[in-house]
Amino acid sequence: GESVGLHLPTLSVQEGDNSIINCAYSNSASDYFIWYKQESGKGPQFIIDIRSNMDKRQGQRVTVLLNKTVKHLSLQIAATQPGDSAVYFCAENSSGGTSYGKLTFGQGTILTVHP
Amino acid sequence: GAVVSQHPSWVICKSGTSVKIECRSLDFQATTMFWYRQFPKQSLMLMATSNEGSKATYEQGVEKDKFLINHASLTLSTLTVTSAHPEDSSFYICSAGGLHNQPQHFGDGTRLSIL
Repeated sequence: GESVGLHLPTLSVQEGDNSIINCAYSNSASDYFIWYKQESGKGPQFIIDIRSNMDKRQGQRVTVLLNKTVKHLSLQIAATQPGDSAVYFCAENSSGGTSYGKLTFGQGTILTVHP
Repeated sequence: GAVVSQHPSWVICKSGTSVKIECRSLDFQATTMFWYRQFPKQSLMLMATSNEGSKATYEQGVEKDKFLINHASLTLSTLTVTSAHPEDSSFYICSAGGLHNQPQHFGDGTRLSIL
């Protein structure tokens, strides 16, 4: 079936560096993508989203890039801090372009930030 | 922002008992809620979509008689794991929202341990 996957399962960076987390998706009908952060023992926390009619969106210290040609999504975190250490998931709206809201999650990337 | 509350956060019980988990949207009404299951170091897997006032929609391979879902109001959905066994031990997470290309908001999960 359709799936969303990640290239790198783990990422270690130094505090202050920029982090880039990648995600590949396979459902060409997906039109909405979300990045979530999950800390240990907690539920996913919304970070940023992007619709398929955009290729870039910026938030506070985070930027999401969408390349529909190669079905690739990335999350950039500027000036990474120890508090950014968590598992990051990309998710796509797998409802076939409807507004139904069903999400398919990628496998996750563990980000570790060293002081 | 949207807040989803999940209760209890941790349950330990004997094999054969049934366990009910509650998911509440605290500051918004949710006609649709989602239930996920997550094993250690793995991604979230959608179990079912809970629809207010109607039957839940289960994903392929999820036993509807094992995982009973009730969505009796616009702010509350419950998941009951019936006759739980050790293989049902997992992290169960609910979410609400997500319609019309808006992000789903997640509860903090319920850690279920069956002895």
